[in-house]
Amino acid sequence: GAVVSQHPSRVICKSGTSVKIECRSLDFQATTMFWYRQFPKKSLMLMATSNEGSKATYEQGVEKDKFLINHASLTLSTLTVTSAHPEDSSFYICSAVLAYRTDTQYFGPGTRLTVL
Amino acid sequence: DAKTTQPNSMESNEEEPVHLPCNHSTISGTDYIHWYRQLPSQGPEYVIHGLTSNVNNRMASLAIAEDRKSSTLILHRATLRDAAVYYCILRSPLNFGNEKLTFGTGTRLTIIP
Repeated sequence: GAVVSQHPSRVICKSGTSVKIECRSLDFQATTMFWYRQFPKKSLMLMATSNEGSKATYEQGVEKDKFLINHASLTLSTLTVTSAHPEDSSFYICSAVLAYRTDTQYFGPGTRLTVL
Repeated sequence: DAKTTQPNSMESNEEEPVHLPCNHSTISGTDYIHWYRQLPSQGPEYVIHGLTSNVNNRMASLAIAEDRKSSTLILHRATLRDAAVYYCILRSPLNFGNEKLTFGTGTRLTIIP
């Protein structure tokens, strides 16, 4: 099956620092990747849609200058949380869509970000 | 997007079948019914999807009502590892590939040993 990995699985950082989260499709090429955020006991909320080689499309209310997304290849997308603050602490999850089978999204295991 | 309604929570005994309902009375003729589940502290996992006919795979079965206004995800023999939040999501094939998944609150399934 299609496998999506995320790195790191958890990160703790100080307020004001930037954190990069990687999302990789391990055994397939993904033309589209999605980034979601999930607060405790809440459902997933889409942050942005990332297409390889083009700028990400952000959902309303998501600051594109704060959450930088780069989809440089068909197997890698990165999310950088710039100048992180405690309110950015959350569970960040990416998903990917196979280029040849678009009806299913495959999710990564998530990254737990804690900003002190 | 057409909306789905699921019970907030359900309990089931281990090794018994579980029927998770989903109502989608405003479903359009081309919407597919997708089910995902999210185990604790993990990303969501695809379970099954269907359009009109009932579907089976190694994880579960999907029973779709004749009028398509409701569906039921069936876990034939629940194990402790099936404890998760189950999401029922409607998707239009016109948007496959670039469509975000809109997650509702889902059903939190608890398995009793």
